[in-house]
Amino acid sequence: ETGVTQSPTHLIKTRGQQVTLRCSSQSGHNTVSWYQQALGQGPQFIFQYYREEENGRGNFPPRFSGLQFPNYSSELNVNALELDDSALYLCASSYTTGGRVTDTQYFGPGTRLTVL
Amino acid sequence: AQTVTQSQPEMSVQEAETVTLSCTYDTSENNYYLFWYKQPPSRQMILVIRQEAYKQQNATENRFSVNFQKAAKSFSLKISDSQLGDTAMYFCAFMTNDYKLSFGAGTTVTVRA
Repeated sequence: ETGVTQSPTHLIKTRGQQVTLRCSSQSGHNTVSWYQQALGQGPQFIFQYYREEENGRGNFPPRFSGLQFPNYSSELNVNALELDDSALYLCASSYTTGGRVTDTQYFGPGTRLTVL
Repeated sequence: AQTVTQSQPEMSVQEAETVTLSCTYDTSENNYYLFWYKQPPSRQMILVIRQEAYKQQNATENRFSVNFQKAAKSFSLKISDSQLGDTAMYFCAFMTNDYKLSFGAGTTVTVRA
């Protein structure tokens, strides 16, 4: 069974730039959720994707956007980067069946984004 | 809005001893799920244990067990026979039918040899 993978591991960008983070879900999982974890804090929910559509969103501005592909992998895009976007970005996969998302989410190792 | 509170920023325990981490939450929902996740320095968030709110029996996974008090909205984690590999940040998390996780601020656990 293949676990959740994320790329890249680390990324350094400057303020105002755009970034794309990638996630491959665990084998058999069709739902992907993204979280932002600032240093020393718990993760904050950004959004969730199922069937290539956004299925719930947290309190993040529209410059945070995502995609899900037919193979269930996902991208997180952040435009107009700000210093406060510096964080660990975590992707988690789960399984949805009959319109119901299973409760347990499995996390990838994260991408550390630094905005200078 | 759901909130999760972990009141202990740091805990230290001697190897082979027991440590208990506290977690309280606030919700008006009746059906929900509770989790403890472990995040070692490698950053990988690992599921330790989960509890369904409608189940009165406390969940147990090997050396990890919970004390779930629904009326008090409390969900503590007990780590028995602590091992050096248990050193990590532990997060309490909560999920309702919207299937998004709400996390607490975390408790850093250090196991001393």
